[in-house]
Amino acid sequence: KAGVTQTPRYLIKTRGQQVTLSCSPISGHRSVSWYQQTPGQGLQFLFEYFSETQRNKGNFPGRFSGRQFSNSRSEMNVSTLELGDSALYLCASSLTGAAGNTIYFGEGSWLTVV
Amino acid sequence: DQQVKQNSPSLSVQEGRISILNCDYTNSMFDYFLWYKKYPAEGPTFLISISSIKDKNEDGRFTVFLNKSAKHLSLHIVPSQPGDSAVYFCAALSSGSARQLTFGSGTQLTVLP
Repeated sequence: KAGVTQTPRYLIKTRGQQVTLSCSPISGHRSVSWYQQTPGQGLQFLFEYFSETQRNKGNFPGRFSGRQFSNSRSEMNVSTLELGDSALYLCASSLTGAAGNTIYFGEGSWLTVV
Repeated sequence: DQQVKQNSPSLSVQEGRISILNCDYTNSMFDYFLWYKKYPAEGPTFLISISSIKDKNEDGRFTVFLNKSAKHLSLHIVPSQPGDSAVYFCAALSSGSARQLTFGSGTQLTVLP
């Protein structure tokens, strides 16, 4: 079956702009979470959605937001982009997000802010 | 405060030998652990996991050992192959917040032919 699909794979934005990233989870998976990977901070949790509701949020400013649709697809948005937002953004899906559920990652969206 | 630590940033091993990657954690609430393999600019690939009720889980060439009293886990790869060269991340979950993976900083494994 298809894995976690993220689009776009690569994009370049200018400071101050906003960006929307998309994620389609594995079929049947209802939990979608987002992570940011940077060289300095490693892999950090952004937020998690289940049944269109945000259940958990990491320590990121309000410029980072997301949503989930009824088909479990998810989007994350970053407004007023800063240079430090340049990172690999990873989407992950699992069946329900419960302990014991394996969490699978997509290939990521590589964002460069100039 | 790093709750999941991988103290070795890099490890080099000869092809055919055993690779042992280590991970320590401080949060006693963690009860499920996963190992991921990652190539640059790609998403992590799930390798193997272990629940805190077990002390060992094996899948092919990969075995994960968990020592709860020491809050330590390790991933053994036997035999190591050049294609195993990648960054390996240890990640942890707690039942109370099972939806949030806490990652270690990763270990770059290089398997030399």
